[in-house]
Amino acid sequence: EAQVTQNPRYLITVTGKKLTVTCSQNMNHEYMSWYRQDPGLGLRQIYYSMNVEVTDKGDVPEGYKVSRKEKRNFPLILESPSPNQTSLYFCASSPLGGLYGYTFGSGTRLTVV
Amino acid sequence: AQSVAQPEDQVNVAEGNPLTVKCTYSVSGNPYLFWYVQYPNRGLQFLLKYITGDNLVKGSYGFEAEFNKSQTSFHLKKPSALVSDSALYFCAVRDSASKIIFGSGTRLSIWP
Repeated sequence: EAQVTQNPRYLITVTGKKLTVTCSQNMNHEYMSWYRQDPGLGLRQIYYSMNVEVTDKGDVPEGYKVSRKEKRNFPLILESPSPNQTSLYFCASSPLGGLYGYTFGSGTRLTVV
Repeated sequence: AQSVAQPEDQVNVAEGNPLTVKCTYSVSGNPYLFWYVQYPNRGLQFLLKYITGDNLVKGSYGFEAEFNKSQTSFHLKKPSALVSDSALYFCAVRDSASKIIFGSGTRLSIWP
């Protein structure tokens, strides 16, 4: 089944403790992206990647890191999480630079206390 | 700067009536426009897209959207609403730099 898999689905952590949210897709898509969803703000793009070893900042990249060493994986790293990073996170992938619409993962609900 | 606006936080429609969810955009170059739906505790699902061609685009679950270049709008429509259409709907635009920007979402509520 074609899908984007995120792990974990739920995570509660403490301020300053480094964490990684994994994202993997099995559709050989070039384009991958991370979003955070907050009430009233819709989805805001954190980082995106056009292909392996190519990443770019979205609208809210501060406090996040990403890497794209393999085509299928696009992990999101929070080096020192803070409470304002409490949010619902989505990974998404698409062929052809996002021209044909995304396939989204199921989301990761992160709480930083 | 690129932007997407969904002017209505909530739209309420009686079952069987037509529905419209509004979206306007601002982007440099040719717009690539999308609609997504999000059901409770789920990820977003792709509904339809406009890249080029006919201004009326048909998508999943009987939804369609009308691209209007002069009004920079891409409103989502359905001729006859179902209770099961109740969900959160997002409009999105891809700009020339491959960034994809989402609107703030519109909650659609269909009452029986």
